[in-house]
Amino acid sequence: EPEVTQTPSHQVTQMGQEVILRCVPISNHLYFYWYRQILGQKVEFLVSFYNNEISEKSEIFDDQFSVERPDGSNFTLKIRSTKLEDSAMYFCASSEAGVGGNQPQHFGDGTRLSIL
Amino acid sequence: AQSVTQLGSHVSVSEGALVLLRCNYSSSVPPYLFWYVQYPNQGLQLLLKYTSAATLVKGINGFEAEFKKSETSFHLTKPSAHMSDAAEYFCAVSDGWGKLQFGAGTQVVVTP
Repeated sequence: EPEVTQTPSHQVTQMGQEVILRCVPISNHLYFYWYRQILGQKVEFLVSFYNNEISEKSEIFDDQFSVERPDGSNFTLKIRSTKLEDSAMYFCASSEAGVGGNQPQHFGDGTRLSIL
Repeated sequence: AQSVTQLGSHVSVSEGALVLLRCNYSSSVPPYLFWYVQYPNQGLQLLLKYTSAATLVKGINGFEAEFKKSETSFHLTKPSAHMSDAAEYFCAVSDGWGKLQFGAGTQVVVTP
């Protein structure tokens, strides 16, 4: 069964440094998402991406965050200047085209980001 | 705005007993509802989804959920728990535009 793959599985970064989290969505999917889960808290929506542009973003997704689909397979999340509070598990998800949001999202195994 | 509330952060069940995980939703539009499961060190795996077809939805691994509009609920059940069902379970709602709002999760422990 096709999978969403994320790399790296664990990223340790010094505060203030830039970090790029990478995702390869399922190949025929057209909608892409990033979520995060701070330890002990809910899974939170960050951003959705369709047709090479952001569809929706949450309040968390401020100017320090950006997303990109640099080629036909990768989908990246960049945090420009990391803060301690960015430490979390980051999940990438993708879904097929469909009517609105009723297509299920398929998730990767996540990248654990630790900011020191 | 959409939201879900999962009642009970931890549930302990005996192997072979009924599993019941509760989820109540709030939505200003007809919701799309999902249950996901997360095994240790893994991502979120879709168990089942409700998209306004049948109110009783069957998913993988013997799980099912019933949509009750009058109670704004979407509880997840499995008639007989297995040791492999030990995991964290998340209820989620979508407004139809893709973004998922997750509940806080329920950790299921299965005892022999």
